[in-house]
Amino acid sequence: SQQGEEDPQALSIQEGENATMNCSYKTSINNLQWYRQNSGRGLVHLILIRSNEREKHSGRLRVTLDTSKKSSSLLITASRAADTASYFCATEMNRDDKIIFGKGTRLHILP
Amino acid sequence: NAGVTQTPKFQVLKTGQSMTLQCAQDMNHNSMYWYRQDPGMGLRLIYYSASEGTTDKGEVPNGYNVSRLNKREFSLRLESAAPSQTSVYFCASRGTGVSRGGRETQYFGPGTRLLVL
Repeated sequence: SQQGEEDPQALSIQEGENATMNCSYKTSINNLQWYRQNSGRGLVHLILIRSNEREKHSGRLRVTLDTSKKSSSLLITASRAADTASYFCATEMNRDDKIIFGKGTRLHILP
Repeated sequence: NAGVTQTPKFQVLKTGQSMTLQCAQDMNHNSMYWYRQDPGMGLRLIYYSASEGTTDKGEVPNGYNVSRLNKREFSLRLESAAPSQTSVYFCASRGTGVSRGGRETQYFGPGTRLLVL
């Protein structure tokens, strides 16, 4: 089955720096979403980008989608300690409601 | 609104025992999902239900059954638990967007931690 693959698996940066995470997938999609999970908690939706969109912004988040390369990136600008979490991409294929997640990127913001 | 609720929060089973994980949503969503999360594996889709009365297999359905009891409730049953089913189980729901190009996002419950000895 299709699955997004995030890269890197883990990332540590200093507070205030920008964090970039990437997601690659295998087949054509309807949309791609990014979620955050704080340790021991459920997932929280961050942003959705549709297959006909190339870039989207939400606050300090910027998401890009390149359907020709089957990849997406999530940029968090001016990182804060509260951004420490795992980040997952999720893809919805064209024909059904099936949503598949990647393995995630663990982001650690150093004070 | 409570959103998506899951019961129980924690459960310990012995190998071979059975149990049902309950999930309910009060957002009038059409679609509901069950995922399991293991360390380093992200979330893997077990089963999903695109609407009341329908269920479909996900990535890892073996050893599980589901019931979409009504629009609000979607239960996951382990008939004969195995240690490999030790995991955190998440239920999610999603509405249906009006645009052809995309749908609404998923809302997740807090999870059920299951340990099978």
